Amino acid sequence: DAKTTQPPSMDCAEGRAANLPCNHSTISGNEYVYWYRQIHSQGPQYIIHGLKNNETNEMASLIITEDRKSSTLILPHATLRDTAVYYCIVRVITAGGTSYGKLTFGQGTILTVHP
Amino acid sequence: DAGVTQSPTHLIKTRGQQVTLRCSPKSGHDTVSWYQQALGQGPQFIFQYYEEEERQRGNFPDRFSGHQFPNYSSELNVNALLLGDSALYLCASSRRQGGAYNSPLHFGNGTRLTVT
Repeated sequence: DAKTTQPPSMDCAEGRAANLPCNHSTISGNEYVYWYRQIHSQGPQYIIHGLKNNETNEMASLIITEDRKSSTLILPHATLRDTAVYYCIVRVITAGGTSYGKLTFGQGTILTVHP
Repeated sequence: DAGVTQSPTHLIKTRGQQVTLRCSPKSGHDTVSWYQQALGQGPQFIFQYYEEEERQRGNFPDRFSGHQFPNYSSELNVNALLLGDSALYLCASSRRQGGAYNSPLHFGNGTRLTVT
């Protein structure tokens, strides 16, 4: 799986947009970009994923650059409950073969939302 | 609709003992994976089960073994516990679609294992 690089920590004011960057310059054509977050003492929570088009759901938006070498997770209106560790993961998605879709977590970005 | 449930939530064992952790997948999911998360680290993949067989394994010794039952629930067994096995053990489930394992993984809140 491709390696991802994320800043170790970021701050955001409550009510403002939080933009979390991720670099995945060695991503392959059969790898999706996934974002998870982990709030203290809980399991990781799925946020969003995408291949090459921008994606949006009720939680966040995912912007992937045209060359797919980097992406940005956007939380449009951050709240105190969004304080968590955010993981950017590239995941091989193929039918059959030897890929079984495991997730390889890095260190993530600690996002702190303050009042 | 219950999500992924794990039991017990906390467990304390002595070095050398054996432990069994349990996981019930989210409704509609048929694939179960286990992850180990040491304090301050990201989760590390242990193995994945589908159709009651181990399909993929991470870099963990044979002391770590598992099982998947016909109802898709799963167990993680760890033998000869070491102090370094103290960690949060996470179970994740997903649904195999069209031959691919691409549906998002949903995680439980884990079992906190302490080895003394």
